Amino acid sequence: AQSVAQPEDQVNVAEGNPLTVKCTYSVSGNPYLFWYVQYPNRGLQFLLKYITGDNLVKGSYGFEAEFNKSQTSFHLKKPSALVSDSALYFCAVRDWAGANNLFFGTGTRLTVIP
Amino acid sequence: DAMVIQNPRYQVTQFGKPVTLSCSQTLNHNVMYWYQQKSSQAPKLLFHYYDKDFNNEADTPDNFQSRRPNTSFCFLDIRSPGLGDAAMYLCATQTRGGGAPEQFFGPGTRLTVL
Repeated sequence: AQSVAQPEDQVNVAEGNPLTVKCTYSVSGNPYLFWYVQYPNRGLQFLLKYITGDNLVKGSYGFEAEFNKSQTSFHLKKPSALVSDSALYFCAVRDWAGANNLFFGTGTRLTVIP
Repeated sequence: DAMVIQNPRYQVTQFGKPVTLSCSQTLNHNVMYWYQQKSSQAPKLLFHYYDKDFNNEADTPDNFQSRRPNTSFCFLDIRSPGLGDAAMYLCATQTRGGGAPEQFFGPGTRLTVL
């Protein structure tokens, strides 16, 4: 079975500071990992994914994520937070490339303080 | 731009009165999903179509039905909405195949049950 954990319900960071949103996963095979962002009253928007290869994945809006196999983590990062980054962030996992279903974490609300 | 469209964005219905939510896509994706999302929680998968093949999640109530008349359109029917069915309903699409394709989400329909 596959699962995703986002240990922090809420993350606050000052504008201009680096941000990290944490995600750990559990799968039986090779993980396929995703980050999505959701703004108020909107659908989820894809940010980035890890399939294989380089452990550092770059995505939209300056976000990146680091895959760490030994720690089973896929933390989302950004070097300098913007107020407009304030949103709900979901980590998701799929346990094989051809699977249709995603398993989502419970979400982390990021607030960037001006 | 290719996209996932949901109509209406906001739907108000009365307790027990059937309601239909609509999703269309211009991406020509094989897979279409319906999720229920409550109060900034993780999206909960209700069912998905792989082409015309319908896949129901085990815990999806019988009150929820779906139709996919063609590749572009998918409908969510709630036969007798209860107060507990008030939520954001998200439609998503995904292309078939390897490489762990991401899901593309529509903006959602927020359902209110009076």
